[in-house]
Amino acid sequence: DIGLSQTPLSLAVTPGQPASISCKSSQSLLHSDGKTHLYWYLQRPGQPPQLLIYEGSNRFSGVPDTFSGSGSGTDFTLRISRVEAEDVGVYYCMQSIQLPPTFGQGTKVEIK
Amino acid sequence: QLQLQESGPGLVKPSETLSLTCTVSGGFINIRSYYWGWIRQPPGKGLEWIGSIYYSGNSKYNPSLESRVTTSVDTSKNQFSLRLSSVTAADTAIYYCARHAYYNDRSGHFVSRWFDPWGQGILVTVSS
Repeated sequence: DIGLSQTPLSLAVTPGQPASISCKSSQSLLHSDGKTHLYWYLQRPGQPPQLLIYEGSNRFSGVPDTFSGSGSGTDFTLRISRVEAEDVGVYYCMQSIQLPPTFGQGTKVEIK
Repeated sequence: QLQLQESGPGLVKPSETLSLTCTVSGGFINIRSYYWGWIRQPPGKGLEWIGSIYYSGNSKYNPSLESRVTTSVDTSKNQFSLRLSSVTAADTAIYYCARHAYYNDRSGHFVSRWFDPWGQGILVTVSS
């Protein structure tokens, strides 16, 4: 299975300040067709995960532009340009270039 | 708006079989470009994909669970189901169903994409 390692595992952010989460994969997530199979999810407390970013850098429908994804190959980053109270929760990266899809350990984001 | 809802027993005895159903509303289960998946999350822990099924019945499973997992689909009821046999306490988790996007690459191979939307999840506890 492909391993994903997220850092940091927890993050406390002042409202209005930026935040950044890293996800490193044990194998390249670049498919031969050019798509990069790295996804970002946010799981708010008591809720199921919701998709934020697909294929490395594409915001999913309805996701605010304060969220952005970047990276290539094995190293990826999720950035929140200005953290708001509703951004609190656990952020997961997921790879799906190879079955089984696997998830990172999660990064817990809290408000200071 | 597509919605998914898990249902089934919240308590299962060790060595027995866990059975869950996911009901899809606001859309049809028999559409191309989507499988229908199961993902679980032990309390306070991370996410693990269990398996996914196409409306035709074609399934894909996590090798770590494959020997114990069966999925099925009922297009007439717009539902799909999960059975996990020989459960132990380690199978205690919140079980989510989700729509699983995919495509076939130029070689015709299955390529997984994202899971969205997800159901609210159902906590299943394995205990005597």
